[in-house]
Amino acid sequence: EDQVTQSPEALRLQEGESSSLNCSYTVSGLRGLFWYRQDPGKGPEFLFTLYSAGEEKEKERLKATLTKKESFLHITAPKPEDSATYLCAVQAISSGGSNYKLTFGKGTLLTVNP
Amino acid sequence: GAVVSQHPSWVICKSGTSVKIECRSLDFQATTMFWYRQFPKQSLMLMATSNEGSKATYEQGVEKDKFLINHASLTLSTLTVTSAHPEDSSFYICSASQGQATLETQYFGPGTRLLVL
Repeated sequence: EDQVTQSPEALRLQEGESSSLNCSYTVSGLRGLFWYRQDPGKGPEFLFTLYSAGEEKEKERLKATLTKKESFLHITAPKPEDSATYLCAVQAISSGGSNYKLTFGKGTLLTVNP
Repeated sequence: GAVVSQHPSWVICKSGTSVKIECRSLDFQATTMFWYRQFPKQSLMLMATSNEGSKATYEQGVEKDKFLINHASLTLSTLTVTSAHPEDSSFYICSASQGQATLETQYFGPGTRLLVL
């Protein structure tokens, strides 16, 4: 069974204080790892897709990296508007034949104080 | 681009009634649409996957007769919660992808909050 574990569950940062969020995964075969941002009461907003170990992608203050067992979302000099829940999801080859199912972690609630 | 809408954004209904939620891809044709459910402080759980013109594929433990899914066109999928009960109260979110979905990103709608009294 595919599993995604995110840590920490919650993270409080001061504005400008850089940090990283972790996403550990166990899958039979990884097709892609996705990062989403979710604001309270809203649907997830797509951030990045990573396909292979060693891949990195950046968007403004965010950078996502991928290894064979985990992914990191690095936040550089965060601002209060970066406060949200960050979700990690894997798309894996499953024995049931569903090649596009996303398995989500529980997310990391990030709060950035001014 | 890649905008997905849902309607309604929230709904309150009495126990035993049915509720229909619409999911539309506004600026692209969605070959595949997905329906998720999210309980407070929990992750998104996939309920079912639907492809245009064919029957939906339900995840284990999801009752297909209770959660009816119709994907009548490349831009519209509907989820009907039949005979809703208080335990069905949740945040329902749809997503859509443009291609065959094996490597395509899923874009999510804003969600529909359902409260069953």
